[in-house]
Amino acid sequence: QVQLQQSGPGLVKPSQTLSLTCTISGDSVSSNDVSWNWIRQSPSRGLEWLGRTYYRSKWIHHYALSVESRMTISQDTSKNQFSLQLNSVTPEDTAVYYCARDWQGLLGVLDPWGQGTLVTVSS
Amino acid sequence: DIQMTQSPSSLSASVGDRVTITCRASQSIGSYLNWYQQKPGRAPKLLIYATSNLQSGVPSRFSGSGFRTDFTLTITSLQPEDFAIYFCQQSHNTPFTYGPGTKVDVK
Repeated sequence: QVQLQQSGPGLVKPSQTLSLTCTISGDSVSSNDVSWNWIRQSPSRGLEWLGRTYYRSKWIHHYALSVESRMTISQDTSKNQFSLQLNSVTPEDTAVYYCARDWQGLLGVLDPWGQGTLVTVSS
Repeated sequence: DIQMTQSPSSLSASVGDRVTITCRASQSIGSYLNWYQQKPGRAPKLLIYATSNLQSGVPSRFSGSGFRTDFTLTITSLQPEDFAIYFCQQSHNTPFTYGPGTKVDVK
């Protein structure tokens, strides 16, 4: 059974960097069959897909245009984790952030999801 | 980006009712449409993928249909655990986009 456990701070100051980590159990971040995604949810923007990382002989990352200039997804194979960094945050980045596995590779079928992390951007 | 809309935005129903939720895409997405259920304080849970395929462990009272731009999620006999918010999501291309949700609550 695949499980995703999220960790990271719930409060970030404006202009600083939001960092979250998703630890995988029951699967491998290096799997060639899946991809690893970040999504956020806020009352104003609803559910918003942010990006993904996956391994196909090399690491590949895709980002939503809305965050592409500020976002980095990375992975740590030794810890079986992937991470999100979002730079120069503003209050608009306040949301619940989720990690999720696309178990069909790149087809956007997301299951399971992490438990979610409420991140508030405030001074 | 592909825009997703849902109707209704909310509905009130009773246990045993048949419930139908519709989802519309701003352009053709073929069968690349997934449905998720979300309960308060929880992450979304995949119910149906590729329009009509039931995710493992999801009760058979849930079903999906549709093609290109118009899709439907049906719950044939609503159960107490089905009161939740339902989202559609297109996975035809990135960025994957979601509908605003349909809240199913108790009549």
